[in-house]
Amino acid sequence: SQQGEEDPQALSIQEGENATMNCSYKTSINNLQWYRQNSGRGLVHLILIRSNEREKHSGRLRVTLDTSKKSSSLLITASRAADTASYFCATDFNYGQNFVFGPGTRLSVLP
Amino acid sequence: EAQVTQNPRYLITVTGKKLTVTCSQNMNHEYMSWYRQDPGLGLRQIYYSMNVEVTDKGDVPEGYKVSRKEKRNFPLILESPSPNQTSLYFCASSLATGASYNEQFFGPGTRLTVL
Repeated sequence: SQQGEEDPQALSIQEGENATMNCSYKTSINNLQWYRQNSGRGLVHLILIRSNEREKHSGRLRVTLDTSKKSSSLLITASRAADTASYFCATDFNYGQNFVFGPGTRLSVLP
Repeated sequence: EAQVTQNPRYLITVTGKKLTVTCSQNMNHEYMSWYRQDPGLGLRQIYYSMNVEVTDKGDVPEGYKVSRKEKRNFPLILESPSPNQTSLYFCASSLATGASYNEQFFGPGTRLTVL
């Protein structure tokens, strides 16, 4: 299977703390994307990092990519209760045709 | 408003009764895709389409059909649904494939129960 894996499966933190989620994958990729899903709803794109990039920032989000280890991490700084959601990494290994999603990390931010 | 719409949002049906879930996008996107989401498994790709009249299988195509006769629509057809197709289904679209930026926009989901 080419499925990505997120780690941890679930994470519970206090508001204001940082949250770090990791993603590992098995094959070479063109890019890796992170998505957020609020309970039972559609996924929302957060950030895309290309295979030749090592780090990317967007607001309170920081994504890193290590292609030698086939892993990525998503850091959410100064978390808020509204960040409570499931977070998925999706690997693009076929130039935007096929995407493999991991099982997700369920983040709970407690007020 | 740019969006992907799916209908119906909820559907309960019985084994063997053909059904269609519609998907439409208003962003003139070339690429569209169907996923199913099951607990603990993340999203798995069913079928995708790179443009009109061009479709291809994803990871779990068995028991499903698709068509892409118009750029904006990409219906998912279950000819003879079975209980193992009970799932949450998502349609998604993106501007293009290739080396272009290919952020996917997702519909709100269709929760299907097959009895």
